[in-house]
Amino acid sequence: EPEVTQTPSHQVTQMGQEVILRCVPISNHLYFYWYRQILGQKVEFLVSFYNNEISEKSEIFDDQFSVERPDGSNFTLKIRSTKLEDSAMYFCASRSTSGRRSYNEQFFGPGTRLTVL
Amino acid sequence: QKEVEQDPGPLSVPEGAIVSLNCTYSNSAFQYFMWYRQYSRKGPELLMYTYSSGNKEDGRFTAQVDKSSKYISLFIRDSQPSDSATYLCAMRGSGGYQKVTFGIGTKLQVIP
Repeated sequence: EPEVTQTPSHQVTQMGQEVILRCVPISNHLYFYWYRQILGQKVEFLVSFYNNEISEKSEIFDDQFSVERPDGSNFTLKIRSTKLEDSAMYFCASRSTSGRRSYNEQFFGPGTRLTVL
Repeated sequence: QKEVEQDPGPLSVPEGAIVSLNCTYSNSAFQYFMWYRQYSRKGPELLMYTYSSGNKEDGRFTAQVDKSSKYISLFIRDSQPSDSATYLCAMRGSGGYQKVTFGIGTKLQVIP
């Protein structure tokens, strides 16, 4: 069964450094998302991406964040200057637009645990 | 009022019990209701999906949506130790790229 993959599984960085989190969505999916989950808190929406542009973003997704689909398979989240409070699990998700309705829902990757020291 | 409210638990039940998990919400625009299962330090896994009000059954799992009360439920029959996980309710409005709003998740432990 196709699945969303994410790399790395765990990233440790120093405050102020740039990080890039990578995701490979399911191959025929057209909508892409990033969410984050701070330890002990709920999963929060960051950004959605469709047709090579951001379609919606939350207030968390400020100028320090950017997303890109550099080729036909990868979807990346860049944090330019990491802060301590960026420490969280970051989940990528993707969604199809066709087929059975249930498959129009978002499928999540295993996440990247980001630790900012 | 929070957009989606869910009791974080933990909820401990003996194997074979019927489990009832619930969420309430405040946003009338929500049209699609999901339940995700999340194991420790893993990504959410889609378990059940329901559009608008009504019931949906899939094996041991039944999802119910009551839009008039803004209340959704997930029932697990004949619960198994492998059902031990955190269950996240989630919902979204209509539209192509609508974001999903999650509850905080209920941690369930099924004791053998």
